Amino acid sequence: GAVVSQHPSWVICKSGTSVKIECRSLDFQATTMFWYRQFPKQSLMLMATSNEGSKATYEQGVEKDKFLINHASLTLSTLTVTSAHPEDSSFYICSARTEDREAYEQYFGPGTRLTVT
Amino acid sequence: GQNIDQPTEMTATEGAIVQINCTYQTSGFNGLFWYQQHAGEAPTFLSYNVLDGLEEKGRFSSFLSRSKGYSYLLLKELQMKDSASYLCAAMDSNYQLIWGAGTKLIIKP
Repeated sequence: GAVVSQHPSWVICKSGTSVKIECRSLDFQATTMFWYRQFPKQSLMLMATSNEGSKATYEQGVEKDKFLINHASLTLSTLTVTSAHPEDSSFYICSARTEDREAYEQYFGPGTRLTVT
Repeated sequence: GQNIDQPTEMTATEGAIVQINCTYQTSGFNGLFWYQQHAGEAPTFLSYNVLDGLEEKGRFSSFLSRSKGYSYLLLKELQMKDSASYLCAAMDSNYQLIWGAGTKLIIKP
């Protein structure tokens, strides 16, 4: 159990366009979802935390108008990169937590590789 | 501030043992995690320690000393497939993970 999926697994888009990444919890209700970004040879950087039905909490330095997060249901959160630029090219990973398990348990999606040309 | 330190890179020989150290400073503490990450993939969970001591799980063991803010991951009988980055992460009082930069482990035959 506790499987998290992401779609798409990779995407290439042109500069100036928007890209939406979906994160789904397949067999549990994700009360909290986390969005991370990882640049090559660097560790994960938390971008934002979202709780179902409420606005996401963004980390310092992350533009909320550029990275739109929606956590509309207990099984789906989306990250939309608006007006993408080459510097947004990165590996985006979501993770999810559920109230049904211990607070420390966090389940990761497989990641989405975004390349902006 | 919150900080995680771990070596950038380590090299070991197939069949040998390697210990990857991690020191942490967080606002509150709710446990220490180790994840394995192969290139281009998401992290996979290896271990979780919240009490002092050693947790053994097959070829992998993880140790925690809360008083010293220190943990290590011990990998035995190294295999080539163990070549990966190993991420240390501490959970703070808000149950948020604070990540280290990762240790790239290179296994040589």
